[in-house]
Amino acid sequence: AQTVTQSQPEMSVQEAETVTLSCTYDTSESDYYLFWYKQPPSRQMILVIRQEAYKQQNATENRFSVNFQKAAKSFSLKISDSQLGDAAMYFCAYRPGAQKLVFGQGTRLTINP
Amino acid sequence: KAGVTQTPRYLIKTRGQQVTLSCSPISGHRSVSWYQQTPGQGLQFLFEYFSETQRNKGNFPGRFSGRQFSNSRSEMNVSTLELGDSALYLCASSPRQGIQETQYFGPGTRLLVL
Repeated sequence: AQTVTQSQPEMSVQEAETVTLSCTYDTSESDYYLFWYKQPPSRQMILVIRQEAYKQQNATENRFSVNFQKAAKSFSLKISDSQLGDAAMYFCAYRPGAQKLVFGQGTRLTINP
Repeated sequence: KAGVTQTPRYLIKTRGQQVTLSCSPISGHRSVSWYQQTPGQGLQFLFEYFSETQRNKGNFPGRFSGRQFSNSRSEMNVSTLELGDSALYLCASSPRQGIQETQYFGPGTRLLVL
């Protein structure tokens, strides 16, 4: 079965510091995509970053970067210079060729001022 | 471009009733997927439509159905509502069908079944 595991239900960080959210997945596929989505209290799911499995280079988007370890099936998200607006639920998601996104259970991130 | 829109945003129904939710994708997007989000089960895939055809279906009972129109707008229907159907229903669109396509989500419809 294809599963995504986020082992940290909650995380907190001081404003301006760096935090890393963990994600592991289970798959037998060789071609797939990985995503991090952010869901603030408004409930709007917002794409943060995505990674193609065939690319060895880790994706980055401004303050957001990933550490993609394909052999270990690990896909962590690093947020640098945390801002109050980063507070949200963060979901790791995996998409194999079957189109559907498989989501983890989420990590609630709190930013302390 | 306008984002994915979903109507209504909130809905209250009673057990046994049926409900129809609507999703308008981003202009030019032809693939629409639906997800159910609950505190207990998290985010679960319902189905995906492309070119008016259901391409993929999640593990939900037949009470959950959907369709897509020629303008790519999609509706999902839930018949004989149960208390457990209370959830946030999210719609997502992408330009085409394909593994490389990123899905962009709408704000969701929150359904409460009493």
